[in-house]
Amino acid sequence: GAGVSQSPRYKVAKRGQDVALRCDPISGHVSLFWYQQALGQGPEFLTYFQNEAQLDKSGLPSDRFFAERPEGSVSTLKIQRTQQEDSAVYLCASSPRTSGRVDEQFFGPGTRLTVL
Amino acid sequence: AQSVAQPEDQVNVAEGNPLTVKCTYSVSGNPYLFWYVQYPNRGLQFLLKYITGDNLVKGSYGFEAEFNKSQTSFHLKKPSALVSDSALYFCAVRDNTGFQKLVFGTGTRLLVSP
Repeated sequence: GAGVSQSPRYKVAKRGQDVALRCDPISGHVSLFWYQQALGQGPEFLTYFQNEAQLDKSGLPSDRFFAERPEGSVSTLKIQRTQQEDSAVYLCASSPRTSGRVDEQFFGPGTRLTVL
Repeated sequence: AQSVAQPEDQVNVAEGNPLTVKCTYSVSGNPYLFWYVQYPNRGLQFLLKYITGDNLVKGSYGFEAEFNKSQTSFHLKKPSALVSDSALYFCAVRDNTGFQKLVFGTGTRLLVSP
């Protein structure tokens, strides 16, 4: 079947604009993660959903970042009043089960956000 | 807190030669370790994982990794490198204090020359 998809693939925003990034996980996957990858760095955790419940948002860098997964499938990461330091690749990943198993995560291609 | 270190920013190897990409880890509890590869403008692709059992883990595309508890290392290896293996490689450890989130290293760029 299809893998994890993300849209848009590229987004250019002016500083102060709001943006919304979409993630379509693999069908049936319970767990969904968002990561932020700055240039030349490894991905860093932002937030985690188990179905529709956001169980961990400890990695969100500020209250300008908000994520939701209302029906337990598609997820949206929203960034309000974007700043230049928000420029990064935003990666979405899904995995089949919850923390009881050690599953690998399947990553989407990412959305490259550039804030001017 | 869980962490991994990738001491080499770049590894250069000639095609056909064996390759090693290094990773050391620090965890509380059982270490669950992963290797991912990232090609330009693409997401991370899973290569292999260590959960328990054999210290030599075999993965995709001919890659394998050796888990060494005493040295807290999880080096990625391949007996014969291909030019197409050139990419960015990330080691990661599962955070046992949370909900499976992965903690990544800074990445190692592998360059395989013809």
